[in-house]
Amino acid sequence: GAGVSQSPSNKVTEKGKDVELRCDPISGHTALYWYRQSLGQGLEFLIYFQGNSAPDKSGLPSDRFSAERTGGSVSTLTIQRTQQEDSAVYLCASSLGTGQKPYNEQFFGPGTRLTVL
Amino acid sequence: AQSVTQLDSQVPVFEEAPVELRCNYSSSVSVYLFWYVQYPNQGLQLLLKYLSGSTLVKGINGFEAEFNKSQTSFHLRKPSVHISDTAEYFCAVSPRGYTGGFKTIFGAGTRLFVKA
Repeated sequence: GAGVSQSPSNKVTEKGKDVELRCDPISGHTALYWYRQSLGQGLEFLIYFQGNSAPDKSGLPSDRFSAERTGGSVSTLTIQRTQQEDSAVYLCASSLGTGQKPYNEQFFGPGTRLTVL
Repeated sequence: AQSVTQLDSQVPVFEEAPVELRCNYSSSVSVYLFWYVQYPNQGLQLLLKYLSGSTLVKGINGFEAEFNKSQTSFHLRKPSVHISDTAEYFCAVSPRGYTGGFKTIFGAGTRLFVKA
């Protein structure tokens, strides 16, 4: 079956503009995660969804960042008034619902490379 | 809180040589441990995981890792690498019983470069 998909694959924007990044999880996966991968800094957890709700938003770096998920499927990560330090690869992952067993593997999408000029 | 330290940012190695990628973690609670691999221009793929039981775990592509609780380490090894193993490798931990969901903390990554 299809894996996690993300769009666009690349996004170049000007400082101060808003951007939307999209994630389509694997069908049937109720948990969805957003991470940011900056050069040389590994993956930084941003936000986690269980269904349409976000129990953990602790990783969002500022109030310019927001995310939503509708219909328990597609998620959008929005960055308002982009800054150059927002440049990174944004990765999405999905997994079966948590709490059902100790561990559910996260499956990652290919990422969106965001460049803020 | 948890943290993960990957001790080498880059590891060059010749083809067919053995390799060890080092990972140490810090946590006040018990954790699950993972290694992920990221090939160029691709998403992360789970290589192996330690949840419980035997401390030596085997993963895909001939990789294995050993959990050492006293040293809080989870080093990744392969006895003979191939050119195709060139990739970035991430060590990660997740706290057991994390009530807020399933949170994974990643290390900064180790770039393995296999030379002919």
